[in-house]
Amino acid sequence: NAGVTQTPKFRILKIGQSMTLQCAQDMNHNYMYWYRQDPGMGLKLIYYSVGAGITDKGEVPNGYNVSRSTTEDFPLRLELAAPSQTSVYFCASSYRTGGNEKLFFGSGTQLSVL
Amino acid sequence: RKEVEQDPGPFNVPEGATVAFNCTYSNSASQSFFWYRQDCRKEPKLLMSVYSSGNEDGRFTAQLNRASQYISLLIRDSKLSDSATYLCVVPLTGGFKTIFGAGTRLFVKA
Repeated sequence: NAGVTQTPKFRILKIGQSMTLQCAQDMNHNYMYWYRQDPGMGLKLIYYSVGAGITDKGEVPNGYNVSRSTTEDFPLRLELAAPSQTSVYFCASSYRTGGNEKLFFGSGTQLSVL
Repeated sequence: RKEVEQDPGPFNVPEGATVAFNCTYSNSASQSFFWYRQDCRKEPKLLMSVYSSGNEDGRFTAQLNRASQYISLLIRDSKLSDSATYLCVVPLTGGFKTIFGAGTRLFVKA
């Protein structure tokens, strides 16, 4: 059971570089999310998707972009990396939302921007 | 007032102890609540859901007090393996926003 798979696990970027964090789930979940977690803080929602072709901004979307071309994949793009984007990024999925659904998380990507 | 507030701890307890964490929330319309467990540098994993007054699962009991807008997590007979950060999670109704507390760190010592 793969669940939610994130790659890479670690990455160091220089200021101004770009990269894509990959996320894939094999549970046929409609809803997918990207969160970031700064040290000692809770998770904050960056972007979410309710299905293929549909995405929307969360609490902290600036500096990021997403796409959802298939049900399985939900990549997160950083176009011009900044030190403020140093964080741990978690992708998650759920069957539906409404606040009553369990979130399944990937193992996270630790990103440092220097 | 923060939307979800937790005591950051850390709580240092011996094995076998009973420990309780509280979490306060500001949105009185929230209907469901969750406790997630997060091990160091790992992803959060669902521990318990709370939809009504409370929920019990083995050594873990979660209680909800709507009047005072807080939920609590009680761990009885603490094990070394319970050492982790416990996140209080409050989905907001009518949307996709889920508020995560900053977490309470627990250390259980032999």
